[in-house]
Amino acid sequence: AQKVTQAQTEISVVEKEDVTLDCVYETRDTTYYLFWYKQPPSGELVFLIRRNSFDEQNEISGRYSWNFQKSTSSFNFTITASQVVDSAVYFCALSEGTGNQFYFGTGTSLTVIP
Amino acid sequence: GAGVSQTPSNKVTEKGKYVELRCDPISGHTALYWYRQSLGQGPEFLIYFQGTGAADDSGLPNDRFFAVRPEGSVSTLKIQRTERGDSAVYLCASSLWGLATDTQYFGPGTRLTVL
Repeated sequence: AQKVTQAQTEISVVEKEDVTLDCVYETRDTTYYLFWYKQPPSGELVFLIRRNSFDEQNEISGRYSWNFQKSTSSFNFTITASQVVDSAVYFCALSEGTGNQFYFGTGTSLTVIP
Repeated sequence: GAGVSQTPSNKVTEKGKYVELRCDPISGHTALYWYRQSLGQGPEFLIYFQGTGAADDSGLPNDRFFAVRPEGSVSTLKIQRTERGDSAVYLCASSLWGLATDTQYFGPGTRLTVL
């Protein structure tokens, strides 16, 4: 079973629109960690954020914000006032307290149209 | 400081050949990971090193795949008798202590094409 599901395969928005990327995870561990990475066309995965399972506080960093809800096992990512440079594939990942590997979703390809 | 580096950036080989892919982690990081990313997919875990030892190799698809990290720094992923299905981007990542809470920092990947 897929531990991380990113149901949106591709999203296109017009520049300055807000966009939310969905991530749903599945784990039996009570301690786990969630991550978002950005993969621009150059290919290198860029770390964006890490959250642990004990901290459901939402976080904002500039135009980026994250909504972590344990009740729905979701860790959604919102980009406000999108820009062309935001165009990339975004991956959500899960790390369980009992292991070391990351489980990645299949990614959401975001295209921001100027 | 320098990030994770991987060489070569691209490798084209013929079916049946042997290839080696190299990863140089961030200095001071004790944990090193290899992932494989197929087109349109997320990275899939292959193997994890803590120091010189492979702490978890459960993701290696079969015995044609092998990885080493002899001095606890640079790692080499070795693929014998390559098959067309091995074509993918091979990503290396490192983290400070290898804890589940640690952020993994990724290299640019090696794109392997098996003809």
